[in-house]
Amino acid sequence: GAGVSQSPSNKVTEKGKDVELRCDPISGHTALYWYRQSLGQGLEFLIYFQGNSAPDKSGLPSDRFSAERTGGSVSTLTIQRTQQEDSAVYLCASRRPGQGYGYTFGSGTRLTVV
Amino acid sequence: ELKVEQNPLFLSMQEGKNYTIYCNYSTTSDRLYWYRQDPGKSLESLFVLLSNGAVKQEGRLMASLDTKARLSTLHITAAVHDLSATYFCGLYGNEKLTFGTGTRLTIIP
Repeated sequence: GAGVSQSPSNKVTEKGKDVELRCDPISGHTALYWYRQSLGQGLEFLIYFQGNSAPDKSGLPSDRFSAERTGGSVSTLTIQRTQQEDSAVYLCASRRPGQGYGYTFGSGTRLTVV
Repeated sequence: ELKVEQNPLFLSMQEGKNYTIYCNYSTTSDRLYWYRQDPGKSLESLFVLLSNGAVKQEGRLMASLDTKARLSTLHITAAVHDLSATYFCGLYGNEKLTFGTGTRLTIIP
């Protein structure tokens, strides 16, 4: 597609429920990233996928968070047993291989845990 | 640990004035990015700086990189209201971007 597509754009969930957030990167972009942006805050790295390599999960805040990328394309970020502090905008970005290329961000999923 | 610091965090400036946003980082890197974020929107890529001394300009914005000083600047010339947004710098390291806290820029007519 022309851009990075994320769905849903908004998600309200009850505390304790599981949620899945989806990211469709730009075709041909081998690198895919998930970031989290809390209200009025900067961007916090969560996880990084590069091709078929093992993902860098070093930013995941707890074992309630997990992500997968199927077929080197679509990625799903799953948050289990959501807590109120999980409320944030979850941004996905992808990048084509090679130095000098920018990261293209999706429009994000705004997650609200009530 | 890679750290990226931006200052100022908040900036109000009058239309027509010039100002600079600073981005300091803690470790060597040869790749720095600047992004713009409008309220409720995602990040829009502005500049990619790849080498020491790199300077890029687009309209009223100019970005530079000094890898020896571990400093990047985003200079705004003759600000206009449309430039009101939050600006982030992002440093490439360990195969990912680490972002600064952002600078919320408000241009006052």
